[in-house]
Amino acid sequence: NAGVMQNPRHLVRRRGQEARLRCSPMKGHSHVYWYRQLPEEGLKFMVYLQKENIIDESGMPKERFSAEFPKEGPSILRIQQVVRGDSAAYFCASSPWGQGVNTEAFFGQGTRLTVV
Amino acid sequence: DQQVKQNSPSLSVQEGRISILNCDYTNSMFDYFLWYKKYPAEGPTFLISISSIKDKNEDGRFTVFLNKSAKHLSLHIVPSQPGDSAVYFCAPGGSSGSARQLTFGSGTQLTVLP
Repeated sequence: NAGVMQNPRHLVRRRGQEARLRCSPMKGHSHVYWYRQLPEEGLKFMVYLQKENIIDESGMPKERFSAEFPKEGPSILRIQQVVRGDSAAYFCASSPWGQGVNTEAFFGQGTRLTVV
Repeated sequence: DQQVKQNSPSLSVQEGRISILNCDYTNSMFDYFLWYKKYPAEGPTFLISISSIKDKNEDGRFTVFLNKSAKHLSLHIVPSQPGDSAVYFCAPGGSSGSARQLTFGSGTQLTVLP
């Protein structure tokens, strides 16, 4: 019973490069959420996606960040032209239902992005 | 604009005693409340939840209390064990609007001393 799979676990990028973070939800889950945890802070909501649709991206920075969840394959969080302030742990979660239903989301182990 | 506050960044408790972790929220659209536990270098794992129609939910050593009028909830762990040492996040959510995604507090680092 594979849980939420995120890769890579660790990613190092130089300033100005692109970072691609992948998330495969649990089997049967069609709702994916991305959260970011900056050092010494809690998890901040970034974006909520269903297959081929962005439902809520109110937590996404307006520039350089994008997310997708295609019909086939994992969800991708893409950060263009990374800066040092993007260094954080990025967590993906999935759930079988939308968050209009009382249900927990299951989290992956996260991708730790370090920008040097 | 912090909708969820966990005012104690850390808490130390002796093994066998009670641990009480607190959480305050401001968004009245939250109607269910979850607690997550997180170990270093791992993702959060769901611990226990409570719906707004209840004021208490118990699961083994873990009990969550909800005071809707005060917009306050607490997690009680009795008896505390060293394996409970982790960061605990309060995560309210709701069915509409700004509450539609889980909103996490900043977490409380619980240390249970043997």
